[in-house]
Amino acid sequence: NAGVMQNPRHLVRRRGQEARLRCSPMKGHSHVYWYRQLPEEGLKFMVYLQKENIIDESGMPKERFSAEFPKEGPSILRIQQVVRGDSAAYFCASSPPFGWETQYFGPGTRLLVL
Amino acid sequence: QQQVKQSPQSLIVQKGGISIINCAYENTAFDYFPWYQQFPGKGPALLIAIRPDVSEKKEGRFTISFNKSAKQFSLHIMDSQPGDSATYFCAASSDAGGTSYGKLTFGQGTILTVHP
Repeated sequence: NAGVMQNPRHLVRRRGQEARLRCSPMKGHSHVYWYRQLPEEGLKFMVYLQKENIIDESGMPKERFSAEFPKEGPSILRIQQVVRGDSAAYFCASSPPFGWETQYFGPGTRLLVL
Repeated sequence: QQQVKQSPQSLIVQKGGISIINCAYENTAFDYFPWYQQFPGKGPALLIAIRPDVSEKKEGRFTISFNKSAKQFSLHIMDSQPGDSATYFCAASSDAGGTSYGKLTFGQGTILTVHP
């Protein structure tokens, strides 16, 4: 059973470009969470999704950031018009339908904005 | 209300010693307290977790102590090994209003170094 997969592992973008981060949850997991980790800081919750539904996006910046988890395919975190302050590690976690407490994290995507 | 404060920021321990990391929270609705271990370049991995109905939980060399009245919990690593050198995060979450979900609030992290 493969773990949570994220790609790309590293992403370099210039200011103003778009960044798309993908997350494939573990098999059988229907809950996906995105977290952001700034250098030397802990992880901050961004958004919680179930298939085709955004459950809680209280941690998402109001502009430029969006997330989706379609019926088929991976969850996508999209950052439009990136700025240098978006440089961070973005982690996806998944959990099963029951037993939400146990979140399994992916290896993360390191985004660098030049 | 949503903060989880973790200390120390960094910790150096000799091999075989005890590593202790502390966390304090404010939100009394929190009812699940996991600890995560993160190696450089990797994602966090769940180490051990506790609910407030018990005061201690032990798994191998790792023990969580929980003090509900003080709103504090700590991780103890017994017989610390160089392979334990990593960043440790405490976290907390709550089952909000009966809708189960696991939005984790993390502490700032502790960089543990175990010298051989």
